[in-house]
Amino acid sequence: GAVVSQHPSRVICKSGTSVKIECRSLDFQATTMFWYRQFPKQSLMLMATSNEGSKATYEQGVEKDKFLINHASLTLSTLTVTSAHPEDSSFYICSAREHSGGDTGELFFGEGSRLTVL
Amino acid sequence: GQNIDQPTEMTATEGAIVQINCTYQTSGFNGLFWYQQHAGEAPTFLSYNVLDGLEEKGRFSSFLSRSKGYSYLLLKELQMKDSASYLCSSMDSNYQLIWGAGTKLIIKP
Repeated sequence: GAVVSQHPSRVICKSGTSVKIECRSLDFQATTMFWYRQFPKQSLMLMATSNEGSKATYEQGVEKDKFLINHASLTLSTLTVTSAHPEDSSFYICSAREHSGGDTGELFFGEGSRLTVL
Repeated sequence: GQNIDQPTEMTATEGAIVQINCTYQTSGFNGLFWYQQHAGEAPTFLSYNVLDGLEEKGRFSSFLSRSKGYSYLLLKELQMKDSASYLCSSMDSNYQLIWGAGTKLIIKP
């Protein structure tokens, strides 16, 4: 199946700094990528939908200026957590949908990035 | 509104069969997905149903009834490695996935 690579898998940073997480589709083109956040023992929470070449669509309650999303190419989307605070510590997961003639809409997930803000 | 309901936790015995139910209400419908997620890892795809009926894939089967807004995931010959959370997700008319909170499945020897 299709492969989505996410980097870094773990990052620890100081409060007030910014962290960038990359999501790459390795063997297919993804016009749309999704960014999720997951707290321990909770389900995935969609943060935003990243569309190649245009602005991301953010879900209600997600701060656009804090979680900057860039989807500059068909294989790369980035999430930047700006001025991180301890409450931003979470597991961030990206996903992409492979579009084909027989599109099942199956999502392929990256490995996830665990962010810890000290 | 849009909603996905599934049990929070289930317990089963190694070698047995377990059925995880899911009911959904979404704006439009473009398919029902089941994902498996081990603790600390990203979800992995298990199944996709868009037509009524049962889809079998090895030890895992998934069933859909669109008229009832109902699906289940059936796991046979349970193994310890099947201990995980199982996420039910419905795709709405905008092709967005609406996620359930997940069912934590505990397998006992």
